[in-house]
Amino acid sequence: GAVVSQHPSWVICKSGTSVKIECRSLDFQATTMFWYRQFPKQSLMLMATSNEGSKATYEQGVEKDKFLINHASLTLSTLTVTSAHPEDSSFYICSAEQGAKNIQYFGAGTRLSVL
Amino acid sequence: DAKTTQPTSMDCAEGRAANLPCNHSTISGNEYVYWYRQIHSQGPQYIIHGLKNNETNEMASLIITEDRKSSTLILPHATLRDTAVYYCIVRRDSWGKFQFGAGTQVVVTP
Repeated sequence: GAVVSQHPSWVICKSGTSVKIECRSLDFQATTMFWYRQFPKQSLMLMATSNEGSKATYEQGVEKDKFLINHASLTLSTLTVTSAHPEDSSFYICSAEQGAKNIQYFGAGTRLSVL
Repeated sequence: DAKTTQPTSMDCAEGRAANLPCNHSTISGNEYVYWYRQIHSQGPQYIIHGLKNNETNEMASLIITEDRKSSTLILPHATLRDTAVYYCIVRRDSWGKFQFGAGTQVVVTP
């Protein structure tokens, strides 16, 4: 299947700092990418839909000013967690839609720990 | 998008076929059925998807009932590496977003 690369795979940061997570589609172009968050022993929760060249669409309850999404090219979307706090510690996962196949491919995830 | 109902957990013997059921009784005509799995601490892996016809690939088979209200994912020869949470998701067309449910925790035992 197609490859979606997510970086970093894990990050530890201090409370109040910002963290950027990158999501790249390596062998296809993705007009649409998605960002999810997963807490321990829970399912994935969709945070936002990222569209290349336009503003992201956030799910209800997700603060757009805290979780900044940029999708500047057809192969890269970034999620920046601004002023991170311990409650933002979670597993963040991105996916990219391969339109020709109607399939979303997922990255390996980023584990964020905020101290 | 239609919601899905899956059993919370299933055990399966290594080498045997694993049949994973999914109910999606409110599915509409243009909604596809997708199956993904998530091995612990990894991103979900695509398995298979279909609209109304049965589908087969190198990983699994997808059987969709004629009324499309339920489907079954079949792993023909389960291995220990198939232990994972399996998610059945329905979504509209090719650009809709996925809403993940709780999935089925499948444990394959020797």
